[in-house]
Parts: sequence; structure tokens; C-alpha cells
Amino acid sequence: SQKIEQNSEALNIQEGKTATLTCNYTNYSPAYLQWYRQDPGRGPVFLLLIRENEKEKRKERLKVTFDTTLKQSLFHITASQPADSATYLCALGYSSASKIIFGSGTRLSIRP
Amino acid sequence: NAGVTQTPKFQVLKTGQSMTLQCAQDMNHNSMYWYRQDPGMGLRLIYYSASEGTTDKGEVPNGYNVSRLNKREFSLRLESAAPSQTSVYFCASIQGRGGNTEAFFGQGTRLTVV
Repeated sequence: SQKIEQNSEALNIQEGKTATLTCNYTNYSPAYLQWYRQDPGRGPVFLLLIRENEKEKRKERLKVTFDTTLKQSLFHITASQPADSATYLCALGYSSASKIIFGSGTRLSIRP
Repeated sequence: NAGVTQTPKFQVLKTGQSMTLQCAQDMNHNSMYWYRQDPGMGLRLIYYSASEGTTDKGEVPNGYNVSRLNKREFSLRLESAAPSQTSVYFCASIQGRGGNTEAFFGQGTRLTVV
């Protein structure tokens, strides 16, 4: 079965620096990959989607890359702020099925 | 727009009791999902419904049943609750396949089985 690996250790970053989170997967490549943000006690909120034929996608201070050869996606937050502190989840989707599989998430903490 | 609404928000059950978690979306989405989230385990897919009238098993379906009552509603039933089903349950809806597959989540149901 498909496995998604995200760094289970929390990532602590100084405000203003770039935070980089990693998502690795095994087996077959997805049709698309998504990133979500989750705050304590809340449901995940969609941030970005990148398709298998795209290398990079940007949205404001967010950047996502997708390398199907390495089976990896990187999620960058530039000029990080304490308000960016949250857990970030990556998720894989497949065009042949409707299900979306999530990783376990990485907790990001931005210190002032 | 309410988005995705889950009820109840909190529930405590005794082992062996049954209950139904309700989920409704008002975005006219085709697909709906039930996940459970446990510490260190991330979101695990229990069941999903790609369209009205269809349901499929996810990664962890044992001990659960679902009903896609209509396009808006997708319920999750625990017939005989077990302590291992203590978790936070999230319902999500998705518009479609391929490019527009942003998932919208409810606020979650925190279930404790004692």
C-alpha cells in the first residue's frame, strides 16, 4: 500500500527564515499532491495543489515543488511568521480513484 | 455557507454502545470522506463515497459502516464501539477528481470510548 512519510519531529524556525517541510512517498506516483494546514482542535485547511506534470507552484509566501523521480514534495514558507505555526499535512490523490491519502503531518513552530 | 458540518462535536460512549456520526455539506460536492486522526498517525481514511449511491472502503474500515443518504449527507456508524475507536473523526467533501480536488473538512467529532 502507499506510504507517505513526513518528518514526525517538530520543526522550529526563527521568524523571518524560510521553513522547508518534506513529504516523501513510496510506490506509485500520484496524479496530484496537496498541502494542508491544521491548527489544534480544527480540521485541516487546504493550501496548495500541485499536479504530477508540474515542478513548482507558488501562492504568496508558499512554494511547493514536486519531484516524481525522487518521489518527494517540498513545502516552503518564506519570511516565516509566528502565525505560520501549525501542523502541515501532505496528501496524495490519484486520478483513477477518488480517495485522498494523508501523511501524519509535521508540526512547525516559528519563534519570534 | 456552512461548508461541512459535523455532529456531534464531542461524544463519550461505553464499550459496546452504538452511535452515528453525522456529516452534511452544502457545497454540492460529489465526493465525501470519513477520516480518523490519532496522535502520530495522521489522517486515516475509513470510508469514502465518490458519488451519491456509492461507498468504498478506505484504509481502516473495520468496525464502521457508512451511508450516503443523499448528495449532502454522509453518515458514519459504529455498531459496537470499542476503546480502539477513541479518536477524532473528520468528515470531508471534495468537488471532483483531477485538478479541483480541494478537500473541505468539518470541525471534527472527538469520540471517547470507555
